[in-house]
Amino acid sequence: KNEVEQSPQNLTAQEGEFITINCSYSVGISALHWLQQHPGGGIVSLFMLSSGKKKHGRLIATINIQEKHSSLHITASHPRDSAVYICAVTPRGDTDKLIFGTGTRLQVFP
Amino acid sequence: NAGVTQTPKFQVLKTGQSMTLQCAQDMNHNSMYWYRQDPGMGLRLIYYSASEGTTDKGEVPNGYNVSRLNKREFSLRLESAAPSQTSVYFCASSELRAPNSPLHFGNGTRLTVT
Repeated sequence: KNEVEQSPQNLTAQEGEFITINCSYSVGISALHWLQQHPGGGIVSLFMLSSGKKKHGRLIATINIQEKHSSLHITASHPRDSAVYICAVTPRGDTDKLIFGTGTRLQVFP
Repeated sequence: NAGVTQTPKFQVLKTGQSMTLQCAQDMNHNSMYWYRQDPGMGLRLIYYSASEGTTDKGEVPNGYNVSRLNKREFSLRLESAAPSQTSVYFCASSELRAPNSPLHFGNGTRLTVT
């Protein structure tokens, strides 16, 4: 069992829909990261959070430390949101490393 | 502000050939990383360097060597490439020990070993 699991693995949506991507982890963490990777492109950090909620534009990330769960929400989705979204955690006590999920591939159709 | 610069973008090697992937960052980060990304798997850590002059093995270090030449540069070397090393390689840098310090990635190197 992976220490960081994401669901769903693949997601398709119509433009304008509200999207939720989930991440569950099994280790104690000091931080959780959400990353975005466009096809053939590099990887960009979207959020780094250790509690509560963060918002940037149409993207919202939440984390529940007790339940070891985080969600990434996209409001009013757009085709340019099509990408792979990756969850990663910084383990508590080993802050030089990250453990990555396998990613959620999102396609938003017009 | 270049961030993390990684070269080359693409490379094809024959089995047994050697090559070095170069990475440089201009954000004065202490920590630098080399990852590989394979289909259906999460990013896997090959080697990392928590500070200038130190390097440590990650999850999949076999077949690779690294050099932290100075604070800016962290190179990854394949001494004798194998087809199993066909992958996309990413360099990254951060100050993960600092709060609110995200990871910054290079654009990746797509390596094919035939």
